[in-house]
Amino acid sequence: GAVVSQHPSRVICKSGTSVKIECRSLDFQATTMFWYRQFPKQSLMLMATSNEGSKATYEQGVEKDKFLINHASLTLSTLTVTSAHPEDSSFYICSASSGTGDFQPQHFGDGTRLSIL
Amino acid sequence: KQEVTQIPAALSVPEGENLVLNCSFTDSAIYNLQWFRQDPGKGLTSLLLIQSSQREQTSGRLNASLDKSSGRSTLYIAASQPGDSATYLCAVTTIGGGSRLTFGEGTQLTVNP
Repeated sequence: GAVVSQHPSRVICKSGTSVKIECRSLDFQATTMFWYRQFPKQSLMLMATSNEGSKATYEQGVEKDKFLINHASLTLSTLTVTSAHPEDSSFYICSASSGTGDFQPQHFGDGTRLSIL
Repeated sequence: KQEVTQIPAALSVPEGENLVLNCSFTDSAIYNLQWFRQDPGKGLTSLLLIQSSQREQTSGRLNASLDKSSGRSTLYIAASQPGDSATYLCAVTTIGGGSRLTFGEGTQLTVNP
């Protein structure tokens, strides 16, 4: 149980393109989804937290107009990297948790490798 | 602001060796600490979760300890196997931070046959 599917697993595109990444909870309702970014040999850095039906909360230094997050249903959140540039190339990972409260386990997707040429 | 540090950054051992990975955190006001495994180009698999009131957790050949007051945790892997090769990440959930996880930078483990 608690499976999170992330799509696509890899995307290569030209500079200036907008890229959408999907994160789906397959067998549970995800009231909260998290988006992380990971550079090579570095840790996961939280970009934003989204709750179903409300606006995402972005971490300091993350441009909300650059990284658009939509969490329209209890099973789907999307991250759109708008007008992507080479510096946006990274590994993006989502996670999802159910319920509310101070701590709910996060279940992780397999990540999306984004390469901007 | 919570900060998590992992030592060593990389470790290479022969098969069969027992090993210890270290994690430290600056703010001891945590709900819990987790150890994750990450294979190259993949997401995270949760290995062990230790609640703040616990001292250790065990799963198979893995044993994780927690000393909350000193801000330290260790992950002990017994009789290491080549299949254990991966990056191991430590993460804490800090009181007042909701479900937010703060990760260390990981230890890249290579177990040589």
